Amino acid sequence: EDQVTQSPEALRLQEGESSSLNCSYTVSGLRGLFWYRQDPGKGPEFLFTLYSAGEEKEKERLKATLTKKESFLHITAPKPEDSATYLCAAKAAGNKLTFGGGTRVLVKP
Amino acid sequence: DAGVTQSPTHLIKTRGQQVTLRCSPKSGHDTVSWYQQALGQGPQFIFQYYEEEERQRGNFPDRFSGHQFPNYSSELNVNALLLGDSALYLCASTSGQQETQYFGPGTRLLVL
Repeated sequence: EDQVTQSPEALRLQEGESSSLNCSYTVSGLRGLFWYRQDPGKGPEFLFTLYSAGEEKEKERLKATLTKKESFLHITAPKPEDSATYLCAAKAAGNKLTFGGGTRVLVKP
Repeated sequence: DAGVTQSPTHLIKTRGQQVTLRCSPKSGHDTVSWYQQALGQGPQFIFQYYEEEERQRGNFPDRFSGHQFPNYSSELNVNALLLGDSALYLCASTSGQQETQYFGPGTRLLVL
């Protein structure tokens, strides 16, 4: 069965303090690894799609990387507006996304 | 370009009742998926509709059913509501050419 695990569950950062979020996945035939940002009470907002090991994508202070077993979301010099829950999801054969439990990030000024 | 829209935004029901949630996909998208997100957890896949047919289903009971209309919009129906059905229900859309799914704002359902 497909499985996605995110760590840590929660992360408290000072503004400017860089860190990384981990997403471990076990799926047969990965067709995409997705990162979303979710603000309280809202739907997930798409950030990145990664397709193969070694691939990297960047957007402002966020950078996502992919290996054969894990993905990392690096947050460089975060600002308070980066506070959110970050969700990782894997897509194997078929059409569903399998999500991890998310990492709640709080950036304090 | 309108994104994914869902209605209603909030809903309160009592146990045993039935509920219908609605979703309009992003312009140009023909595939709609539904997810259930309990508080503090990641979304769980319910099912996906394409060409008005249920294409794949997650581990949810038959109380959860859906429909897709010719204009690609979709409904999620839940019968015999239980307290445990309280959650944020998310709709996501994509097209046959893409892997990425785009989510709507969700419908918050509270079952009392």
